[in-house]
Amino acid sequence: GAGVSQSPRYKVAKRGQDVALRCDPISGHVSLFWYQQALGQGPEFLTYFQNEAQLDKSGLPSDRFFAERPEGSVSTLKIQRTQQEDSAVYLCASSPVGYSGNTIYFGEGSWLTVV
Amino acid sequence: KQEVTQIPAALSVPEGENLVLNCSFTDSAIYNLQWFRQDPGKGLTSLLLIQSSQREQTSGRLNASLDKSSGRSTLYIAASQPGDSATYLCAAKLIKAAGNKLTFGGGTRVLVKP
Repeated sequence: GAGVSQSPRYKVAKRGQDVALRCDPISGHVSLFWYQQALGQGPEFLTYFQNEAQLDKSGLPSDRFFAERPEGSVSTLKIQRTQQEDSAVYLCASSPVGYSGNTIYFGEGSWLTVV
Repeated sequence: KQEVTQIPAALSVPEGENLVLNCSFTDSAIYNLQWFRQDPGKGLTSLLLIQSSQREQTSGRLNASLDKSSGRSTLYIAASQPGDSATYLCAAKLIKAAGNKLTFGGGTRVLVKP
């Protein structure tokens, strides 16, 4: 596809349910990021992949959050035993190697509501 | 820890007026500072990026300045139009940050009234 694609766009989960959010980055992009954006706030960094290697997961808020990118392309963010405070937009972004400017591309996000 | 702040959180101006959006950051060891636009329900679109060695960048009606010593960046939008209504976010990349990890401000929500 032409851009970063995320699915599902909208997800309503009952508290305690597990969810999986998918990100298809732009083809050939080495770097992939996940951000969490609460309502009315700026995005907060969650984790970063370079190819299949997860180089930084310092932003994951708890061990209920897990991300993977097994083949260096599609990535999945999994949230176990969801809680109400997990309600947010989860943004995925990708960029090619040697990022040097306006070459980071964001998807439209997956909107998660935990009820 | 890098903190990025945007004031005001919201701004409403009549069409044609110039917009001035402020961004401040606490750690001056930045690699670059980037401004994004976010429309409701959409992802982020990059507007301007200023490298740490630069003082400003311009694109059409947009101009962004960077003052590392004072920890500030300003986005100017000339002759605002209703289509400029959106949330504007600034983000800093630290020199020591892995990959392209960005630290975002909370955003300024802009409404341009016709």
